[in-house]
Amino acid sequence: DAGVIQSPRHEVTEMGQEVTLRCKPISGHNSLFWYRQTMMRGLELLIYFNNNVPIDDSGMPEDRFSAKMPNASFSTLKIQPSEPRDSAVYFCASSLEIGTTEAFFGQGTRLTVV
Amino acid sequence: AQSVTQLDSHVSVSEGTPVLLRCNYSSSYSPSLFWYVQHPNKGLQLLLKYTSAATLVKGINGFEAEFKKSETSFHLTKPSAHMSDAAEYFCVVRPPGGGGFKTIFGAGTRLFVKA
Repeated sequence: DAGVIQSPRHEVTEMGQEVTLRCKPISGHNSLFWYRQTMMRGLELLIYFNNNVPIDDSGMPEDRFSAKMPNASFSTLKIQPSEPRDSAVYFCASSLEIGTTEAFFGQGTRLTVV
Repeated sequence: AQSVTQLDSHVSVSEGTPVLLRCNYSSSYSPSLFWYVQHPNKGLQLLLKYTSAATLVKGINGFEAEFKKSETSFHLTKPSAHMSDAAEYFCVVRPPGGGGFKTIFGAGTRLFVKA
């Protein structure tokens, strides 16, 4: 298996533009997580899905952020409009979500909003 | 409620000397505990996990960790550091039934390895 695949690896955009980050979880995993990592806040869980359904999005910072999982093999995290303070590395992770299974992380998308 | 505390934000060792990265947790039930490593500009990679089986857990790259319930600790060790071990390490606590928002990441410990 190729692991969790995220795209793009790097994104530079201007303030106010829409940004869409993409994630393909490991096949067979039924839980998907979106994290944001910054120097100031460390790793923050933004939202997680179980069987394509958003279970808890209380970590999403603002209404500008939205996430979807239209099927078991694809998820998006959208920021509209983007702001400089959104600059961070965004990680997607997936897990079997059964008992004690661990989460597998993608390589991350480094977002820079100028 | 759960929490996890990594006691050192930075640890510096010389190559060939032992590594100790400390982690304490609190949990109202028996959690699963994990250590992840993150190399610069990379995603997080699982080093090892404790899931209520053997208390001494061996992971990849020569790392191991011992679950000590009486001390609520899960410290990560390696007998001999290598330059390639320089990275950030995260201790993670998760309830037995899984759960996204119940998964707690420590603040991370950055390991420096001197030649």
